[in-house]
Amino acid sequence: AQSVSQHNHHVILSEAASLELGCNYSYGGTVNLFWYVQYPGQHLQLLLKYFSGDPLVKGIKGFEAEFIKSKFSFNLRKPSVQWSDTAEYFCAVNAEYGNKLVFGAGTILRVKS
Amino acid sequence: GAGVSQSPRYKVAKRGQDVALRCDPISGHVSLFWYQQALGQGPEFLTYFQNEAQLDKSGLPSDRFFAERPEGSVSTLKIQRTQQEDSAVYLCASRARPYSVKPQHFGDGTRLSIL
Repeated sequence: AQSVSQHNHHVILSEAASLELGCNYSYGGTVNLFWYVQYPGQHLQLLLKYFSGDPLVKGIKGFEAEFIKSKFSFNLRKPSVQWSDTAEYFCAVNAEYGNKLVFGAGTILRVKS
Repeated sequence: GAGVSQSPRYKVAKRGQDVALRCDPISGHVSLFWYQQALGQGPEFLTYFQNEAQLDKSGLPSDRFFAERPEGSVSTLKIQRTQQEDSAVYLCASRARPYSVKPQHFGDGTRLSIL
């Protein structure tokens, strides 16, 4: 069975600090990987996704993630966070072209202005 | 509509009551998913529809949970004889096509509280 582990449940950063949120998954086959973000009071939105090709993927709002197959990891990064990045971030995986997403428990990011 | 619409946004029910949660997917989307998100957790898969066919219901926690999508568009998740552990946010998502690179689009969810 697939599972996803997110390393930190709460992260607090000051504006302009760099961000890295860890995500590891367990699944032996080909996977599709996602980061979703949920801003306060809003629905889950896709931040970025990896299906194949370049393991460094760029998403919206300056976020990027790197897929490292040997480490079963898909960490999310942003060089300089803003107060508006305060949100909950979810890593998710599904088997290649599979249907159901398996989510991690989420990381709540609070950016202090 | 432009996005996935869920209703009601909030539902409070007494233990033992039946509830029905509605999902309007993005128009034309073939795939529809239901997820349950408990407090402090990520969403967990409940069930999947491709058009009107329920192809995967492996995540439904008990036979008190029932979902349908009779005409391949709107879907209803029904919970019978609700219990306190059913309290959660229920998320609906739709995707344009199955088995594709298209992402799932999520609704705002229904927050269900069982007293």
